[in-house]
Amino acid sequence: GQQLNQSPQSMFIQEGEDVSMNCTSSSIFNTWLWYKQDPGEGPVLLIALYKAGELTSNGRLTAQFGITRKDSFLNISASIPSDVGIYFCAGPNAGGTSYGKLTFGQGTILTVHP
Amino acid sequence: DVKVTQSSRYLVKRTGEKVFLECVQDMDHENMFWYRQDPGLGLRLIYFSYDVKMKEKGDIPEGYSVSREKKERFSLILESASTNQTSMYLCASNRGSYNSPLHFGNGTRLTVT
Repeated sequence: GQQLNQSPQSMFIQEGEDVSMNCTSSSIFNTWLWYKQDPGEGPVLLIALYKAGELTSNGRLTAQFGITRKDSFLNISASIPSDVGIYFCAGPNAGGTSYGKLTFGQGTILTVHP
Repeated sequence: DVKVTQSSRYLVKRTGEKVFLECVQDMDHENMFWYRQDPGLGLRLIYFSYDVKMKEKGDIPEGYSVSREKKERFSLILESASTNQTSMYLCASNRGSYNSPLHFGNGTRLTVT
């Protein structure tokens, strides 16, 4: 099946630093999604990307849909303690026509030191 | 606000037991899903249902079955629990349309001893 490779696997940063993470695929995706999972909770959708080259922001978060359609990037500016959690990239399974059947990356665990 | 509720946050079961994980959503969503979350592996789809009594295998269905008798409820069944099924289980739902995001429950952490 499809696979998404997400990196880095974990990050330890100081409050105020910027964060970058990325996701790559061996196959083309038509949609890229970024989710965040707070400790003890289920993942929540942060940003959805629909077109190659698209750059979308949500507050301090910015995500980009790679031109090749095989990668995506998530940046967090001026990190704060509540940014702690696991960040997942995801995309619809091959042949999928809804967000439902998603393939997820392995996740990036973010720790922010005050 | 969409709510996906999983009946248990923590479960401890013995090897060989039959285990039921229950999930209920309150937004009349067509699709419901069971994912398994393991460190370093992300979320992997176990089973998916797009309508009452309809089900479809995900990427890792072995050792699991599901039941969807009512639209709002989706159950994951471990017929004979094994230690390698110790994991975090996440239920999710969404509408059938293309742009409908997944809404997740808070997870059930299952330990099989």
